[in-house]
Amino acid sequence: DADVTQTPRNRITKTGKRIMLECSQTKGHDRMYWYRQDPGLGLRLIYYSFDVKDINKGEISDGYSVSRQAQAKFSLSLESAIPNQTALYFCATSDSGTGNEKLFFGSGTQLSVL
Amino acid sequence: AQSVTQLDSHVSVSEGTPVLLRCNYSSSYSPSLFWYVQHPNKGLQLLLKYTSAATLVKGINGFEAEFKKSETSFHLTKPSAHMSDAAEYFCVVKRSGSARQLTFGSGTQLTVLP
Repeated sequence: DADVTQTPRNRITKTGKRIMLECSQTKGHDRMYWYRQDPGLGLRLIYYSFDVKDINKGEISDGYSVSRQAQAKFSLSLESAIPNQTALYFCATSDSGTGNEKLFFGSGTQLSVL
Repeated sequence: AQSVTQLDSHVSVSEGTPVLLRCNYSSSYSPSLFWYVQHPNKGLQLLLKYTSAATLVKGINGFEAEFKKSETSFHLTKPSAHMSDAAEYFCVVKRSGSARQLTFGSGTQLTVLP
């Protein structure tokens, strides 16, 4: 089983719909992140959480919200989806100790907003 | 502020020939530098990291990278390409002491020809 699991793998939705992407991890890491990947732009940080009570905005948080339901679960919501949110979304985790810069990624969720 | 530039969006090599993927960085602080690899339909995986110890860093699968402060470069190399090396590669810079300040390059797609 994967250490970082994202669901769904693919999602097609319509403009204006609210959707949620889910992430769960079995690595026991405190830190979790949501990134989006767009062709030619690399990965950009949406939100990150260093523990259950800590939620922080990344560089592109507008139009998104997150919930850290437990140490192992971190979900990303698009309140009202728009076409330019079509992208590949990745959840990642890292340890809070030394070497915390090593990220462990899920396999991604491809989201298409029509 | 920090940034990272991957100089080639696509690189093609023949199997058995050397690989060179170029990365230049800009950082106001002593940076940590990383290379991640993304195989099709997979999340990113850490290849190697530089954190101010040895300037020549060895990673997994025969890859290595050399940190050159005078040139602000961190190029990724491999002496002999294998078909399984075909993937997208990301150069990443991190501000020392800041777990969230990861900046991803735009990626280099490596094609390995038979």
